[in-house]
Amino acid sequence: GENVEQHPSTLSVQEGDSAVIKCTYSDSASNYFPWYKQELGKRPQLIIDIRSNVGEKKDQRIAVTLNKTAKHFSLHITETQPEDSAVYFCAADSGAGSYQLTFGKGTKLSVIP
Amino acid sequence: DTAVSQTPKYLVTQMGNDKSIKCEQNLGHDTMYWYKQDSKKFLKIMFSYNNKELIINETVPNRFSPKSPDKAHLNLHINSLELGDSAVYFCASSQAGRGEQYFGPGTRLTVT
Repeated sequence: GENVEQHPSTLSVQEGDSAVIKCTYSDSASNYFPWYKQELGKRPQLIIDIRSNVGEKKDQRIAVTLNKTAKHFSLHITETQPEDSAVYFCAADSGAGSYQLTFGKGTKLSVIP
Repeated sequence: DTAVSQTPKYLVTQMGNDKSIKCEQNLGHDTMYWYKQDSKKFLKIMFSYNNKELIINETVPNRFSPKSPDKAHLNLHINSLELGDSAVYFCASSQAGRGEQYFGPGTRLTVT
């Protein structure tokens, strides 16, 4: 089955700096790679996703890049703000038409004012 | 309007009891999931139903039994609760083939 590794497990940045979280996956059939943000005591919320037919996607201060050859994808947050502090999860599906997402173990991001 | 809702939000019970958690989605999705998030925040899939049929059944004790009366509802019944069942349980839904999953607010289960 799919295996998703996520690094780092914790990340502290100064407000205004950039943050990068990296994930690798094992199943070359995976096509869909979402990122979720989970604030303390809240539900995971989808913040951005990318499909295998594109290499990069941006949405304001967040961007995701995908390298299918190397089987890794990354989340980039620019101009970080204290409200970006949360646990971020990457995930990968198990191929076209699959229902299952396999999640990474999460990265706790702390943005220091 | 709440897209994916769960009840109860908190559940405190003693070992050996039986309890149920309910989930409803009003997104018109045809696939629903149960996840378990432990104290280390790992999100692990437990079950998935598509159009009321079980399609994912990860290795969980058979004390856990999901039931889907219709496409909009997926309930989780847990028999003979154990201390290790303490966790946050999230329901989620998606449209088959689309990938995006939307989570409910979670049910924090504490077994004493």
